Amino acid sequence: DADVTQTPRNRITKTGKRIMLECSQTKGHDRMYWYRQDPGLGLRLIYYSFDVKDINKGEISDGYSVSRQAQAKFSLSLESAIPNQTALYFCATGQGKDTQYFGPGTRLTVL
Amino acid sequence: DQQVKQNSPSLSVQEGRISILNCDYTNSMFDYFLWYKKYPAEGPTFLISISSIKDKNEDGRFTVFLNKSAKHLSLHIVPSQPGDSAVYFCAASGSGGSNYKLTFGKGTLLTVNP
Repeated sequence: DADVTQTPRNRITKTGKRIMLECSQTKGHDRMYWYRQDPGLGLRLIYYSFDVKDINKGEISDGYSVSRQAQAKFSLSLESAIPNQTALYFCATGQGKDTQYFGPGTRLTVL
Repeated sequence: DQQVKQNSPSLSVQEGRISILNCDYTNSMFDYFLWYKKYPAEGPTFLISISSIKDKNEDGRFTVFLNKSAKHLSLHIVPSQPGDSAVYFCAASGSGGSNYKLTFGKGTLLTVNP
């Protein structure tokens, strides 16, 4: 079984809809992250959490919110999706040194 | 301002030859560097890392070299294999070693031709 899972893997939605992307991990790591990947732009950090009570904004948090429901679960929400939020979204976990471990990604399309 | 730069969007090499992927950084507070490999429809996977106290780290066919004075690192793959074809991301972290945030480059698409 995968250590970091993301649901859904693919989602098509319409402008203005609320969307939640979910991430679960079985690695027992304290730190969890949400990134988005756009063609030619690499990976950019949206939000990160060092434990259940600690949530921090990344470099591109506008238009997104997160919830750390438990050590193993970290959800990303788009309250009102817009087309420029069409991207690949990755969840990652980390502990100890700075190495992070990524989930398989969610491909989100906003029409 | 891009703090981690991978100036070559793509690289093509022949099977069995050396692949050299380059990465430059501008933030002198970075003290830990990583390379990730990404196949289509999959998440990035950790490949190899290096701390700023070293100038070389080797793991099988993969070697990372760090030149702190030039703020440059490179990933060498020898010998290259077709299965190495993927996008490679350089990443860096720092600010005292407990930053736990990674800054990524834009990636280099490596194609290894049989």
